[in-house]
Amino acid sequence: RKEVEQDPGPFNVPEGATVAFNCTYSNSASQSFFWYRQDCRKEPKLLMSVYSSGNEDGRFTAQLNRASQYISLLIRDSKLSDSATYLCVVNDGYGGSQGNLIFGKGTKLSVKP
Amino acid sequence: SAVISQKPSRDICQRGTSLTIQCQVDSQVTMMFWYRQQPGQSLTLIATANQGSEATYESGFVIDKFPISRPNLTFSTLTVSNMSPEDSSIYLCSGGQNNEKLFFGSGTQLSVL
Repeated sequence: RKEVEQDPGPFNVPEGATVAFNCTYSNSASQSFFWYRQDCRKEPKLLMSVYSSGNEDGRFTAQLNRASQYISLLIRDSKLSDSATYLCVVNDGYGGSQGNLIFGKGTKLSVKP
Repeated sequence: SAVISQKPSRDICQRGTSLTIQCQVDSQVTMMFWYRQQPGQSLTLIATANQGSEATYESGFVIDKFPISRPNLTFSTLTVSNMSPEDSSIYLCSGGQNNEKLFFGSGTQLSVL
């Protein structure tokens, strides 16, 4: 089975800190990558896509390393509201015409005052 | 974006009974999916809900246990049949114009006694 592996954490950081999450995936044929955010007892929500060239959205930067099959998410200037579980998600390229999303177990972030 | 209304939000059921979960999307979406999430675990895809035809089930999930309907592009149901305590989980529906940038319902927390 194709897997997505993440450090479960928790990452406990003070406000204003920079924190990075890593994720590895096993299927070298995967083409699409995402980070989703899931708040406690809530549904997952798309945070950002991850492109080969890397992409940035405000305080969030996502990077992809295809050779190492590795994805990262960097959060700068952490806010209390960033506290959540961050899910690494990979389109495995199997199942139907568009492949299926494989979710990692998530990395829990807790930002403290 | 799409807003997905899912109900019930939670239920406590007796062993051997069945529960039907409904999801209504506020706009037409091409793809709809059903996921299960055990506490502390990643989301596991149960099936792809196909409009007007039988759902496509993932390994380990069968139609007799998890019948799915999708009569149109805005609505789908998942039934958990002949429930046992092992079926206790959070069930999530999702939808989108493709299978990558998904929007999720708020989930159904099911407890089977």
